[in-house]
Amino acid sequence: GAGVSQSPSNKVTEKGKDVELRCDPISGHTALYWYRQSLGQGLEFLIYFQGNSAPDKSGLPSDRFSAERTGGSVSTLTIQRTQQEDSAVYLCASSSTGRDQPQHFGDGTRLSIL
Amino acid sequence: AQKITQTQPGMFVQEKEAVTLDCTYDTSDPSYGLFWYKQPSSGEMIFLIYQGSYDQQNATEGRYSLNFQKARKSANLVISASQLGDSAMYFCAMREGGAGGFKTIFGAGTRLFVKA
Repeated sequence: GAGVSQSPSNKVTEKGKDVELRCDPISGHTALYWYRQSLGQGLEFLIYFQGNSAPDKSGLPSDRFSAERTGGSVSTLTIQRTQQEDSAVYLCASSSTGRDQPQHFGDGTRLSIL
Repeated sequence: AQKITQTQPGMFVQEKEAVTLDCTYDTSDPSYGLFWYKQPSSGEMIFLIYQGSYDQQNATEGRYSLNFQKARKSANLVISASQLGDSAMYFCAMREGGAGGFKTIFGAGTRLFVKA
């Protein structure tokens, strides 16, 4: 079956531009997560969606970052007025409901800010 | 607040030997789950093993086992009979849940090098 799909796989943009990153989770998965991973580093939690509940936005680093999830499926992470420190791989994951359900990750979007 | 600590930035192991990757965590929630993931150089994240906070026995999955010491809040991953293909980054993750759902956070990771 189809896994988590992220697009674009690579994005190069100039400092100050806005970018949108897309995540298409596994069908039926109610939980969706966004993480940021800098080169050789761990995964930094950004935001978490669970069904129709209000998202947990506690990891968003600044108000330039926002995310939405439409119809409980596709999610978009938007970064406004990009900065060079935003350069990283942005990973999306989805999972079924339940504490014991593993996350399924997409291949990530590699974002480079010039 | 949740916290996950992996104190070993890098580890070396000889092929066919066992290796233990450390993970400690901190949570005030009595109900939580612990995960280990592998990230090869290709970048994909691969789920390895899960341990629930109420599980009485240590989890095992093939060559992977989890040394769960609840009182010490540690969940170390043991890889037996290491193979060259085990060379990768390994991440410990914790999920605790409540009314808001099951947020999951990750440790900084341990890079494992398997020597021939």
